[in-house]
Amino acid sequence: DADVTQTPRNRITKTGKRIMLECSQTKGHDRMYWYRQDPGLGLRLIYYSFDVKDINKGEISDGYSVSRQAQAKFSLSLESAIPNQTALYFCATGAGQAGNQPQHFGDGTRLSIL
Amino acid sequence: DAKTTQPNSMESNEEEPVHLPCNHSTISGTDYIHWYRQLPSQGPEYVIHGLTSNVNNRMASLAIAEDRKSSTLILHRATLRDAAVYYCILRVLLGGKLTFGQGTILTVHP
Repeated sequence: DADVTQTPRNRITKTGKRIMLECSQTKGHDRMYWYRQDPGLGLRLIYYSFDVKDINKGEISDGYSVSRQAQAKFSLSLESAIPNQTALYFCATGAGQAGNQPQHFGDGTRLSIL
Repeated sequence: DAKTTQPNSMESNEEEPVHLPCNHSTISGTDYIHWYRQLPSQGPEYVIHGLTSNVNNRMASLAIAEDRKSSTLILHRATLRDAAVYYCILRVLLGGKLTFGQGTILTVHP
């Protein structure tokens, strides 16, 4: 089983719909992240959480919200989806604050908004 | 965050060594150098990281210049499975974020 699991893997929806992407992890890490990737580009950080009571905005948080329901679960919501939010979304976890800690990624959710 | 510069693409033949360069001239003394790769249809995968000394692991080696303004990821014997986008990322000592650039697309020929 994967250490970082994202659901759904693919989603097609319409403009204006509310969407929730879910992420769960079995690594026991405190830190969780949501990234977005657009074609031909690197990943951009949407939101991150250092523990259950901590939520921080990343570089492109507008139009998104998150919820950290438990140490192992971090969900990303699009309250009213728009076409330019069509992208590949990745969840990641990290073990600690130190810069020498790697992040571990899920396999992504491909979201298409019509 | 300090910036990294990588070639857009590189090519290699299977079973040959590959040297992927990265320039990071504005690196600070406490920034770690991380490498990730992203295979098609997958999330990024951690490869290796280092601070000042060269590093080896089962996936690759990382050679860091003495002035730390550049580094090279070395795949000792490329396989077709190594075809991916490789990202060189600087990570601050107490920072949780990863800032991804566009990376290097590595093509491996049979």
